Formats: sequence, structure tokens, C-alpha cells
Amino acid sequence: EEQLVESGGGLVQPGGSLRLSCTASGFTLSSYTMNWVRQAPGKGLEWVSYISSWSSVIYYADSVKGRIIVSRDNAKNLLSLQMSSLSPEDTGIYYCARETTLELWGQGTLVTVSS
Amino acid sequence: QSVLTQPPSTSGTPGQTVTISCSGSPSNIGTNNVFWYQQLPGAAPKLLIYRNHQRPSGVPDRFSGSRSGTSASLAISGLRSEDEADYYCSAWDDSVSGLLFGGGTKLTVL
Repeated sequence: EEQLVESGGGLVQPGGSLRLSCTASGFTLSSYTMNWVRQAPGKGLEWVSYISSWSSVIYYADSVKGRIIVSRDNAKNLLSLQMSSLSPEDTGIYYCARETTLELWGQGTLVTVSS
Repeated sequence: QSVLTQPPSTSGTPGQTVTISCSGSPSNIGTNNVFWYQQLPGAAPKLLIYRNHQRPSGVPDRFSGSRSGTSASLAISGLRSEDEADYYCSAWDDSVSGLLFGGGTKLTVL
């Protein structure tokens, strides 16, 4: 079964950092582009970042640009999101999703930025 | 504020057909494919429609999508109670080099 599993979420203080991971199973990660999408509590979906199959093309939403770095290790079937200078506005569930179609989603990992 | 505009809510009774609109601009819907997602309460979103009107395997043909100019719509026919969910449209935007989502539409089945 094709699956994406996010991890690394938790409670972090404003100004802090966090690294999220997304582990792919049941398919070869290197064959696909990947995205991160987040959802603030009770709010809609917000696209965060895109990374091409071999990391040659990367895009970020303006709201996170300069504070977030997306990376991937295809050999380990692993996608990562390094977040820094976090603010309460970054609170939400972070999902990884496959391709620009977002055809496959993980269950999400909750990030809470609060003092 | 979402650049793709959806109505915040809509409702219908079982068996009815409801339509959810998604309005964009030339740089997104006017140029690129539109996708629709269904998010059931407490769950991750699920791809419902891709490339404007295509349905992934397993999605009932009660769900249909269309695109015209800078707008798109999702129609749900034969409404069922299990269709009660939030629905989101999305499209890539060439001007910002990013994926945009609509604000979401909450569908209530009365």
C-alpha cells in the first residue's frame, strides 16, 4: 500500500525551530515531486512548499520564505521540512502530499507554536 | 485571503445536486489545471477531481468537475449524507510560482 507518514510535530516556543519528516512507503519517492501543505486549526488548506524529484526545483509560499527549507533523501524515501523563527501563525497540521495533484496525503503532524 | 474564491458554505438534501464554484484569474485557473479535494471531519484531504474533470479510481461518478475561463466548478449529484465535508479547489499559479487553494466550502446535507 502506498503511504506517507509525517512525524516531528510538537509544541515549540515562538522563535524556535522544528524539523518535520515525511516517510514514503509502497512506492519509490524519487519518481515523484512532493509538497507540504498546512492547515491552521479550523481554517483552510495552505500550500507551503514544492520540491521536484531530484531537488533541482524548489518553491516556497511567501508566508514561509526565508524561514523554511524543504529537502529530500530519495535513498531513504524521506522528505523533510526544516522550520525556524516559528510564530503562532505557523500553528497547524502539516501534511506532505505527492505530486502537484496532491494525489496522496499523509495523516499530518501537528505543530503548535506557543509560549 | 485565498486567491481562489469559493463560497464558504452550501447545503442540499439527499438526492439533490449541489454545485460549488471556484473563481480565479488568468494566471491560475485560466492557464493551469484545477483540482478538487474532499476533507471529511477529522481526516486528511483526499483528491476528488484532477485535471479539471478527471476522477481518480474509486471516486464515484456522482462527482464531476468542469472549468471555463478563469472559473471552475464541482458538482455533486445524488447527494448523500456521507458527502458532508469541506471541499477545496486548487490550481498552480504562474505569477507566484505556487499552488493556490480556495478558502474551502462546507457542504451540509440536510
